[in-house]
Amino acid sequence: SQQGEEDPQALSIQEGENATMNCSYKTSINNLQWYRQNSGRGLVHLILIRSNEREKHSGRLRVTLDTSKKSSSLLITASRAADTASYFCATDRNTGNQFYFGTGTSLTVIP
Amino acid sequence: ETGVTQTPRHLVMGMTNKKSLKCEQHLGHNAMYWYKQSAKKPLELMFVYNFKEQTENNSVPSRFSPECPNSSHLFLHLHTLQPEDSALYLCASSRAGEETQYFGPGTRLLVL
Repeated sequence: SQQGEEDPQALSIQEGENATMNCSYKTSINNLQWYRQNSGRGLVHLILIRSNEREKHSGRLRVTLDTSKKSSSLLITASRAADTASYFCATDRNTGNQFYFGTGTSLTVIP
Repeated sequence: ETGVTQTPRHLVMGMTNKKSLKCEQHLGHNAMYWYKQSAKKPLELMFVYNFKEQTENNSVPSRFSPECPNSSHLFLHLHTLQPEDSALYLCASSRAGEETQYFGPGTRLLVL
């Protein structure tokens, strides 16, 4: 399928450490987004990176995009317990405002 | 809060019941979406409305019936559901032509 796939499925780290999550996809994209979901809640948009960008920063978040490898990574630096959530990548379907979401990476930050 | 509200937050229904999920956005957006989120599965896009017109129906069974009376409100009418329809149903909205979607908190549905 075309949807993004996050890796690893689950990640557990100590507070203060960095967390890295990866997303791979199969076909060309115009942009890729990362979202966060706290348990049982809706998704919250974190950052969007376009196909002509290689890296983007937002606060403690750093996103990279390698279109040749069809992959993206999300780095959260100096993690906090409040970062505990599931993180999803979303790739556009080339049909306007519709996206493919993966199954997510479940991040646990231990205080 | 993202400006998108959903009611009810939790719903338990039998297979013969009829119920409706409601979504309201206060962001002035003109595109609205219904997603289904089941455990261990990718988020599934069900329906898309742009300017109140349905533009996408991803092979969703007819027991799910969407309604979009205006750009701020979206409903999902449910009837004769199956236990496998139990999931978190998420509503989202966006501005036409923009990629960022704003999600509501979801309705946790349990079909008995």
